[in-house]
Amino acid sequence: AQKVTQAQTEISVVEKEDVTLDCVYETRDTTYYLFWYKQPPSGELVFLIRRNSFDEQNEISGRYSWNFQKSTSSFNFTITASQVVDSAVYFCALSAVTTNAGGTSYGKLTFGQGTILTVHP
Amino acid sequence: ETGVTQSPTHLIKTRGQQVTLRCSSQSGHNTVSWYQQALGQGPQFIFQYYREEENGRGNFPPRFSGLQFPNYSSELNVNALELDDSALYLCASSLNRRMNTEAFFGQGTRLTVV
Repeated sequence: AQKVTQAQTEISVVEKEDVTLDCVYETRDTTYYLFWYKQPPSGELVFLIRRNSFDEQNEISGRYSWNFQKSTSSFNFTITASQVVDSAVYFCALSAVTTNAGGTSYGKLTFGQGTILTVHP
Repeated sequence: ETGVTQSPTHLIKTRGQQVTLRCSSQSGHNTVSWYQQALGQGPQFIFQYYREEENGRGNFPPRFSGLQFPNYSSELNVNALELDDSALYLCASSLNRRMNTEAFFGQGTRLTVV
């Protein structure tokens, strides 16, 4: 079974501050995928990044960066110089392949509880 | 915008009724998954449809059922609605059933059961 834990329920920062959202995961699979999604008030989950379990290289995309550390089962997300538009709920998710009773494999996303980020002007 | 469309956006039903939610997947995507998101929680996997067949299922009772059509659009049906079924229902469209690529989500249907 897979499990994703986001220990921070809510984070509040002032604009231009850097903020890091923590994510810790559990899985027995050797091949898995990690994701971060953003959920604005409109409700739609917006894809931010995908990482596979064999690629521990950190990634930077504009003001966003991700730190994947397999040794600690963590996949943390940092926003540099936060802006008011970054205010949203952020979800970390894990996908690993499961085989159903009929022998067919499928993947499903297991989400953390989410972190509510509020950026104040 | 992802190209995944869900309808209706909001719905109010009475306990015991039945409801059908709809999802049109992104062009070229043959896999649709449904998730239930209770208030303040992360989304929970309901089931996945791949090429018109249920391919995998989460921990939801049989009164949650679905369909996928030849154009890969999908429906989620819930019978005998309970108050705890009140949630945001999200549809995710993906290129393959292994979910090793990004899944694109619709804006969701907010269901309220009274």
